[in-house]
Amino acid sequence: GESVGLHLPTLSVQEGDNSIINCAYSNSASDYFIWYKQESGKGPQFIIDIRSNMDKRQGQRVTVLLNKTVKHLSLQIAATQPGDSAVYFCAERDPAAGNKLTFGGGTRVLVKP
Amino acid sequence: DVKVTQSSRYLVKRTGEKVFLECVQDMDHENMFWYRQDPGLGLRLIYFSYDVKMKEKGDIPEGYSVSREKKERFSLILESASTNQTSMYLCASRQGIQPQHFGDGTRLSIL
Repeated sequence: GESVGLHLPTLSVQEGDNSIINCAYSNSASDYFIWYKQESGKGPQFIIDIRSNMDKRQGQRVTVLLNKTVKHLSLQIAATQPGDSAVYFCAERDPAAGNKLTFGGGTRVLVKP
Repeated sequence: DVKVTQSSRYLVKRTGEKVFLECVQDMDHENMFWYRQDPGLGLRLIYFSYDVKMKEKGDIPEGYSVSREKKERFSLILESASTNQTSMYLCASRQGIQPQHFGDGTRLSIL
């Protein structure tokens, strides 16, 4: 598959452990945040989202935490599996910018068996 | 599930050629987007469209144009391809303020 990013930060995690992926954002006006997963050779796939009036949201094996005070977003993956190996992107939306998304650079997660 | 289909996974063209990248979505979404993805630069928005025959410039529109003649189809056009347009191109669609759904991308090489 193609390389999504040659200089991506990489998180190596043992299968079965929990993963925490972090994302800092700079725009205090952003009101909506999304996490995407991109596997090799595929487009980004929606994982979970959160609005700025919330600080936590849970999905299946994933939790997103939002700390607006320090403009920090994190994605927690419980019991990481080999299929979780991918590049993970956060994205933020500024309603004043026509609802366009701004994407972070991404973090590569490698799951070790 | 939303299906966003990009017509080509891999494409090789020559400098100066006019190149068309096609994208079709099957969920009657109003909004469609074209991004390019490059190592170290992430996803950058080229053009987007909120409705048929409507288009808006994104962050890097130079050297590109788009066409939205039908709601389900959004085409990206490289008027005169150059080597710095070698990239992965991603199409996305969205309904209202819902999350964007992406296609699997077109890896374009300009020789």
